[in-house]
Amino acid sequence: RKEVEQDPGPFNVPEGATVAFNCTYSNSASQSFFWYRQDCRKEPKLLMSVYSSGNEDGRFTAQLNRASQYISLLIRDSKLSDSATYLCVVSPGGSYIPTFGRGTSLIVHP
Amino acid sequence: GAVVSQHPSWVICKSGTSVKIECRSLDFQATTMFWYRQFPKQSLMLMATSNEGSKATYEQGVEKDKFLINHASLTLSTLTVTSAHPEDSSFYICSASPIGSGNTIYFGEGSWLTVV
Repeated sequence: RKEVEQDPGPFNVPEGATVAFNCTYSNSASQSFFWYRQDCRKEPKLLMSVYSSGNEDGRFTAQLNRASQYISLLIRDSKLSDSATYLCVVSPGGSYIPTFGRGTSLIVHP
Repeated sequence: GAVVSQHPSWVICKSGTSVKIECRSLDFQATTMFWYRQFPKQSLMLMATSNEGSKATYEQGVEKDKFLINHASLTLSTLTVTSAHPEDSSFYICSASPIGSGNTIYFGEGSWLTVV
């Protein structure tokens, strides 16, 4: 089993739709969780950290489920500009080296 | 957020030559930086962990003599691709985490290397 797994997609949704991605991780000792966004031919950029109690930033909501070892990202009212690849990042405590999922591609169409 | 600058953004070089890529943390110090490679439509692949003042730690399958990493200060790491070949053409990205940031990672803008 890979350390961090994501459905590569693509998820093809109309503008205004709500879409959710999951990311599963295998290391139960993982401490830090993040969602990054990567546009084509660009570097990944931090979208949001994921906190144990869940957190929201505008149209984006992140959740952590430690029991089932997955994190999720929910995007409401999708915009065309949300089209990108969304990477989940899991970082174990101590060793500090982050592990990336392969990313989930989102395409929002008119 | 914190800023990581990478230079050059684009480079084209002849086969057999060496290319140096710089990664700088502009507004924070980082004892550790990471170097990644990403081929088109593929995921980021960690190449090595760059440690300030000591040798880099390379991932399995990455040739340390080909990809030379130097982390001379708390704000600068360099990756030198030696004797580059066309198959080394890729997107190289560095990242760093500010001390005390809770492992939040910030990426450089990336460097596109094309070897002809």
